[in-house]
Amino acid sequence: KQEVTQIPAALSVPEGENLVLNCSFTDSAIYNLQWFRQDPGKGLTSLLLIQSSQREQTSGRLNASLDKSSGRSTLYIAASQPGDSATYLCASRMDSSYKLIFGSGTRLLVRP
Amino acid sequence: ETGVTQTPRHLVMGMTNKKSLKCEQHLGHNAMYWYKQSAKKPLELMFVYNFKEQTENNSVPSRFSPECPNSSHLFLHLHTLQPEDSALYLCASSQFRDRGFQANEKLFFGSGTQLSVL
Repeated sequence: KQEVTQIPAALSVPEGENLVLNCSFTDSAIYNLQWFRQDPGKGLTSLLLIQSSQREQTSGRLNASLDKSSGRSTLYIAASQPGDSATYLCASRMDSSYKLIFGSGTRLLVRP
Repeated sequence: ETGVTQTPRHLVMGMTNKKSLKCEQHLGHNAMYWYKQSAKKPLELMFVYNFKEQTENNSVPSRFSPECPNSSHLFLHLHTLQPEDSALYLCASSQFRDRGFQANEKLFFGSGTQLSVL
């Protein structure tokens, strides 16, 4: 059974810092891995999706990597801004079905 | 605006009440989902509908009753809930095809209904 873990649960950094959020999974036979952003009391916004055949995806200041052999994905945020403050969740899909296995998220605070 | 609209945004109900959550998607998708997000727990999939047919009931108690009248609308009917059912209920949609979810396709979420059961 796939388990997805995100450490740390919370992170506070000063504005402008580059940072890395971590996601680990126990079963490397994933179909894809997705990173989402969630603002307080709101729904999820998809940030990046990495297919199993890919190593990384980039969007603006965000870069997500995938290492299936080690069961890890990272989300790199460059030059962090206060507007980046949110909870970031990763989720793995194991096959071509609809089921996503979510981590508990990392709550990020970027201090001005 | 993600194209998935949920109402109401907030709901407070007693344990004997009956209420319904509504979700509407404007993306032309044919799969819709209900997720539950409790404090300090990962998101849990509750129900899935593909082409209006329920294809997943993830061991959800019968006090939660979904309804999907068409591929654009999804309801979650609530009755005799418990305080532990208080959570953020999220609706999502995707372009699910008969042969399965494509590797590069994403879920689109609504903003959720924050439910409090007293």
